[in-house]
Amino acid sequence: GAVVSQHPSRVICKSGTSVKIECRSLDFQATTMFWYRQFPKKSLMLMATSNEGSKATYEQGVEKDKFLINHASLTLSTLTVTSAHPEDSSFYICSARTGTGGAPRNEQFFGPGTRLTVL
Amino acid sequence: AQSVTQLDSHVSVSEGTPVLLRCNYSSSYSPSLFWYVQHPNKGLQLLLKYTSAATLVKGINGFEAEFKKSETSFHLTKPSAHMSDAAEYFCVVSPSGAGSYQLTFGKGTKLSVIP
Repeated sequence: GAVVSQHPSRVICKSGTSVKIECRSLDFQATTMFWYRQFPKKSLMLMATSNEGSKATYEQGVEKDKFLINHASLTLSTLTVTSAHPEDSSFYICSARTGTGGAPRNEQFFGPGTRLTVL
Repeated sequence: AQSVTQLDSHVSVSEGTPVLLRCNYSSSYSPSLFWYVQHPNKGLQLLLKYTSAATLVKGINGFEAEFKKSETSFHLTKPSAHMSDAAEYFCVVSPSGAGSYQLTFGKGTKLSVIP
């Protein structure tokens, strides 16, 4: 159980275009989803926290107008990178938290990640 | 506030020898601690977690870690390295009580296994 998927796994786009990344919890309801960014050979940086049906909370330094997050249902969150530029190229990883049942409150389940390359 | 320090950015061991990946933490709250593994271009897989039960935690693939409050450490060990263990390992801390459940990641330790 507790599987999180991401789509697409890899995307290449031209500078100035927008890219949408989906994160789905496949076998549980995710009250909260998180979006991370990972630079090459670096740790994960939390970008934002989203709760179903409400606005995402962005970490300091993350542009909310550039990285649009929508958490429309308990199983789906989307990250849209708007007007992408080469510096947005990175590995984006989502995670989901159950919030219910026997799982610890702070246990997160991670998706496999999306490699974004902006030309 | 909480933070994690992984003391080695790169560890190299020979296949069949023990593995030790070091992690120290700092937390204002009683922490939960995790070790995750990431293979190249893959997502994160939970190896093990400490959530205030037994201080010696056994995880998957033969890994284990010991929570030492007096040393604020949570080092990851394995008796005998396998080639498939080569990956990036992250030590993670989070408050275990009510309140924020955000995870704070260490910078990672790359484990290389030499045949």
